[in-house]
Amino acid sequence: DAGVIQSPRHEVTEMGQEVTLRCKPISGHNSLFWYRQTMMRGLELLIYFNNNVPIDDSGMPEDRFSAKMPNASFSTLKIQPSEPRDSAVYFCASSPSGSQIYEQYFGPGTRLTVT
Amino acid sequence: GDSVTQMEGPVTLSEEAFLTINCTYTATGYPSLFWYVQYPGEGLQLLLKATKADDKGSNKGFEATYRKETTSFHLEKGSVQVSDSAVYFCALSASGGSYIPTFGRGTSLIVHP
Repeated sequence: DAGVIQSPRHEVTEMGQEVTLRCKPISGHNSLFWYRQTMMRGLELLIYFNNNVPIDDSGMPEDRFSAKMPNASFSTLKIQPSEPRDSAVYFCASSPSGSQIYEQYFGPGTRLTVT
Repeated sequence: GDSVTQMEGPVTLSEEAFLTINCTYTATGYPSLFWYVQYPGEGLQLLLKATKADDKGSNKGFEATYRKETTSFHLEKGSVQVSDSAVYFCALSASGGSYIPTFGRGTSLIVHP
């Protein structure tokens, strides 16, 4: 299995620009999570999908952030407009449904730098 | 709400030393407990897990025992290697709820030759 795939691995953009991060979960996994990691705040859950439906988006910082999951094999996290304080590593993770253990499988992350 | 508390890092050890990273939790019901490891520049990987009281999870020489009486899940390894240098995260997934995991802040481990 290829694991969770994220693109791009690195993104450098200027303040005000739109940024789109992409994720392909592990085939057969029905839950998908977007996280943000910074030194100051650690690992933060942004949004959680189950069967392509957003279940909990309480971690999305503000309206500039949006996430979609149009099908079981693809999700995007968009920031518009981006700000320097959005600089972080963004992780996507997937988890199999029907499992009582609910461990997560993380992608390699996208390192976002907003100048 | 659910929470996980880990010891502050960094933890700095010499190769072949004994490792303990403390983790305590607060949760309703009977959560599943996990340790994840994050190597530099990579995402988190599941290291080990335990789903009920007194279970011992183990992998790659690491062990942790689910202690319900002390609400703890401490990570141990008898002899660390330089390649174990990473950040370690304790996490729980509570039963009867949405199963969204709760992560600790992470503990950095640095192992010197």
